[in-house]
Amino acid sequence: DTEVTQTPKHLVMGMTNKKSLKCEQHMGHRAMYWYKQKAKKPPELMFVYSYEKLSINESVPSRFSPECPNSSLLNLHLHALQPEDSALYLCASSQEFQGRHEQYFGPGTRLTVT
Amino acid sequence: AQSVTQPDIHITVSEGASLELRCNYSYGATPYLFWYVQSPGQGLQLLLKYFSGDTLVQGIKGFEAEFKRSQSSFNLRKPSVHWSDAAEYFCAVGAHTGNQFYFGTGTSLTVIP
Repeated sequence: DTEVTQTPKHLVMGMTNKKSLKCEQHMGHRAMYWYKQKAKKPPELMFVYSYEKLSINESVPSRFSPECPNSSLLNLHLHALQPEDSALYLCASSQEFQGRHEQYFGPGTRLTVT
Repeated sequence: AQSVTQPDIHITVSEGASLELRCNYSYGATPYLFWYVQSPGQGLQLLLKYFSGDTLVQGIKGFEAEFKRSQSSFNLRKPSVHWSDAAEYFCAVGAHTGNQFYFGTGTSLTVIP
């Protein structure tokens, strides 16, 4: 099973709302990633968790708050977002946090901030 | 610094024609190389990967890629394109040691009947 699942598929939220994105994998991978992707652009790395510890935070605004409750789950908590945060948010996982390991992606959450 | 270049922003091919998407990388050592495909509104799907050994790599959906060390290239090919191949294609490189992983800027493929 090489599946990464993400919920919800679509999310519309106002600038004062609080919402969460969820990601799950059951491949036994120890690295999990959040990416932000704008149309026709490559994914931009936001956060990396390795063995359930935050390893990378790519200077992401504090209105995005990641959480890794266990080795299979990854959340992204959203609060007070701006319209420019509207994008496709992708979760990915890999066997380890090493460049030699391919990343497996979920289908993404399409976020619209109004 | 490491980088990945996909020189073609957009390519249009006729259904049944052959396809080649270019990818060039800049890296001190031979990196790990990947090709991903992304259909509209979907996540990225791994097509194939190169780690070492045979420089011609077979992937899913009838794709193959050839690693050429002398040209620092890893071009993706398909002998006969299907309409369902219309998508965005990303080349990626992973560090031989360390955790760096870089995506190219992507090539958008349009397939015309």
